[in-house]
Amino acid sequence: GNSVTQMEGPVTLSEEAFLTINCTYTATGYPSLFWYVQYPGEGLQLLLKATKADDKGSNKGFEATYRKETTSFHLEKGSVQVSDSAVYFCALSGNSGYALNFGKGTSLLVTP
Amino acid sequence: DAGVTQSPTHLIKTRGQQVTLRCSPKSGHDTVSWYQQALGQGPQFIFQYYEEEERQRGNFPDRFSGHQFPNYSSELNVNALLLGDSALYLCASSFRVGREETQYFGPGTRLLVL
Repeated sequence: GNSVTQMEGPVTLSEEAFLTINCTYTATGYPSLFWYVQYPGEGLQLLLKATKADDKGSNKGFEATYRKETTSFHLEKGSVQVSDSAVYFCALSGNSGYALNFGKGTSLLVTP
Repeated sequence: DAGVTQSPTHLIKTRGQQVTLRCSPKSGHDTVSWYQQALGQGPQFIFQYYEEEERQRGNFPDRFSGHQFPNYSSELNVNALLLGDSALYLCASSFRVGREETQYFGPGTRLLVL
């Protein structure tokens, strides 16, 4: 079945550092891939998405490229801010279903 | 434009009781999905409703049931509550165009079962 594996956190970075959160997936066919962010005490917010191989999703300085050859969708940001502190979830939506399959989440803490 | 709304925000119940959670989708969306998020975990898919019918179901027991109304809003019902049902329940709405469907989430209902 479909599954998503994320790097385990927590990840602690200083402000303006470079961020990478790894995400790999297992799925048949051509899933759509998503990154969602969850701030403390809140629901999930869509951060970015990509629906086909080699697509790059981007939003608020975050980027992720859909790599079918490596079944990956790593999240990157060139310079993180304290306000980026949150939990980040990688997710996929498979060809034949409607459910989102989520990774376990990666907690990010950015310190001043 | 209002996003996805859920009610109540918090709820405390005791074992064996029943609970109903409510969700109103984002304007223009016709599909509602429900997820359970245990503390420190990713959300787990419960089921999805489209055209007032359950379209897909995750690996949850029959104690979890739902309904979608003609205005696309939805309810999640959980019977015979267990301590393990304590979680954040998230509703997501969407509108599918061809193969593409992006789910937008509400703030969630936090359920505590004592």
